[in-house]
Amino acid sequence: EAQVTQNPRYLITVTGKKLTVTCSQNMNHEYMSWYRQDPGLGLRQIYYSMNVEVTDKGDVPEGYKVSRKEKRNFPLILESPSPNQTSLYFCASSSAGGANYGYTFGSGTRLTVV
Amino acid sequence: AQSVTQLGSHVSVSEGALVLLRCNYSSSVPPYLFWYVQYPNQGLQLLLKYTTGATLVKGINGFEAEFKKSETSFHLTKPSAHMSDAAEYFCAVSGLGGGFKTIFGAGTRLFVKA
Repeated sequence: EAQVTQNPRYLITVTGKKLTVTCSQNMNHEYMSWYRQDPGLGLRQIYYSMNVEVTDKGDVPEGYKVSRKEKRNFPLILESPSPNQTSLYFCASSSAGGANYGYTFGSGTRLTVV
Repeated sequence: AQSVTQLGSHVSVSEGALVLLRCNYSSSVPPYLFWYVQYPNQGLQLLLKYTTGATLVKGINGFEAEFKKSETSFHLTKPSAHMSDAAEYFCAVSGLGGGFKTIFGAGTRLFVKA
């Protein structure tokens, strides 16, 4: 089954403790992206990757890091999480930069930073 | 700045009534347009998309949307609401300025009353 898999689904952590949210897709998509979803704000792009070793900032990249060492994986790293990063996070992938075909989304990771 | 506006953060309809969710975007060049649906505790799922060609686009679950260039709109409709349509709906636009960036609206939560 074609899918984007995120882990974990739920995570509660403390301020400053580094964490990684994993994302993997099995569709051989070139384009992958991370979004955060907050009430009333819709989805805002954090980082995206056009292909292996090619990443760039989205609209809200502060406090986040990403890497793309393999085509299928695109982990999101929070080096020193803060409470304002409490949010619902989605990984998404597309075969054409999202412009033509739309995204396939993961099920989401609900992160709480206390 | 380029933007996507969804009119109404909440819409309530009776079962069997017409569903109309409004979306307007700011662009002088026809972009790619999408509607996504998000059910509780799930990721976003592509409902329908407009790229080129026919301006009336049909999607899954009986939904359709019409691209109106003169009004820069892409409203989502369904003739008869079903209880299972209760979800949050996001309008998205990509290809603005010739790039791959996708911008999401803030979302509209649809409530269906029995």
